[in-house]
Amino acid sequence: NAGVTQTPKFRVLKTGQSMTLLCAQDMNHEYMYWYRQDPGMGLRLIHYSVGEGTTAKGEVPDGYNVSRLKKQNFLLGLESAAPSQTSVYFCASRTPSGSPYNEQFFGPGTRLTVL
Amino acid sequence: GQQLNQSPQSMFIQEGEDVSMNCTSSSIFNTWLWYKQDPGEGPVLLIALYKAGELTSNGRLTAQFGITRKDSFLNISASIPSDVGIYFCVSMNYGGSQGNLIFGKGTKLSVKP
Repeated sequence: NAGVTQTPKFRVLKTGQSMTLLCAQDMNHEYMYWYRQDPGMGLRLIHYSVGEGTTAKGEVPDGYNVSRLKKQNFLLGLESAAPSQTSVYFCASRTPSGSPYNEQFFGPGTRLTVL
Repeated sequence: GQQLNQSPQSMFIQEGEDVSMNCTSSSIFNTWLWYKQDPGEGPVLLIALYKAGELTSNGRLTAQFGITRKDSFLNISASIPSDVGIYFCVSMNYGGSQGNLIFGKGTKLSVKP
């Protein structure tokens, strides 16, 4: 199993450009998450999904949109990138029940720079 | 929003030394987790705690869930170079539909061989 994979690993955008980050998981997890990590900060939740076709806002959703058309994929979109969105983005997934651990499995991250 | 106060922010230690870090909050949680992030990687779960007062070990790592349910600590004994990384305390209230995690700001650990 590959676990959680993210595409691309690195990207540089100009202000105003758009892009989509792709997250894929092969663990049949129901729940998926997008976080951003800034220097000296922990991870902050952008959006999450509790199942195919459903999404919800997290702590810092402004400027981002998401879609969960397939259970295994969770897409994060930036319609008009801003320098404040320069960050490392992490995707995670977990099972909703069955395991008491609620462990979230994280991808390797996407490093995005907006000039 | 809910915040976790994690300390220290960074530590520089000699190989073989013991390490201690902690996390406090003004809110009560029913789950405390400790994650480690290696450079260039995503966080990985080290230890999960679900009961107030619970003390759990994972190899050289020991973590405790505070009695007040507002704090937790992580100890690493006899540190080795591969312990280098950022350690995050993470809390949540298990049973919520989202299982959303709240991260501390992390403790960056450097180990001198």
